[in-house]
Amino acid sequence: GDSVTQMEGPVTLSEEACLTINCTYTATGYPSLFWYVQYPGEGLQLLLKATKADDKGSNKGFEATYRKETTSFHLEKGSVQVSDSAVYFCALSPTSSQGGSEKLVFGKGTKLTVNP
Amino acid sequence: DGGITQSPKYLFRKEGQNVTLSCEQNLNHDAMYWYRQDPGQGLRLIYYSQIVNDFQKGDIAEGYSVSREKKESFPLTVTSAQKNPTAFYLCASTLPGTGGNYGYTFGSGTRLTVV
Repeated sequence: GDSVTQMEGPVTLSEEACLTINCTYTATGYPSLFWYVQYPGEGLQLLLKATKADDKGSNKGFEATYRKETTSFHLEKGSVQVSDSAVYFCALSPTSSQGGSEKLVFGKGTKLTVNP
Repeated sequence: DGGITQSPKYLFRKEGQNVTLSCEQNLNHDAMYWYRQDPGQGLRLIYYSQIVNDFQKGDIAEGYSVSREKKESFPLTVTSAQKNPTAFYLCASTLPGTGGNYGYTFGSGTRLTVV
C-alpha cells in the first residue's frame, strides 16, 4: 500500500543553520505531496504542497520539490529560526481512477528543535 | 474566519466512562476525519466520513464511535471499551473530489487523559 517514510528525529540545530528533512514515498500513480507543521500543543497546519512531478512548494522560507524519479519530497530551509521549532509531517494523497482520494497518508513526523 | 473547532481542549476521564469529543467546522467541507496522536507514533486514523449520515472505520476504530448527523459536526465518543484512551485527538476536514490537491484543515486538538 501507499506509505511515507521520514527521517528519524529529533533534529537539533542552531539558529541560522540549514535544514533538510528527508521524505520518501511509495505510491502508485501520481500522488499529491504535502508538508504539515505542528507547534507544541496545537493541531497540524499545512506548510506547503506539490501536486505534480517537478513542482516546488514553498512557504515561510521552506521549500520542497516533488521528485518522481527518486520518489522524494525533502523539506529544506536555508536559515532556521527558534520559531521553527515544531514537529514536521510529510504526507501524500493517493490518486485513483476517480481522479483523487482525500485520505491522506502521513509519515511519523520529525521533531525539530532550534537553539538560539 | 472559517475553521475547525475542537472542544474541550483538555478532557479527563475516569475508568469505565464514555466521553465525547466535539468537532465543528464552518468550512462547508463534506469530508471529516478523526486521528489519534501518540508520542513517536505519528497520526493514526480512527474514523472518517465523506458525507452526512455515512462514515467508515479507519485503522484503529475499536473502542470508538462516531456520528455524522450534520455536515458541520463529527463528534467522537471514546467508549469504556477503549483500553488505552490517553492521547491527543485531532479532527480534520477537506473538500472531497479535489484530487487530493486541497489537503486537510485541522482543529487544534483535544488532549484526553484517563485519571
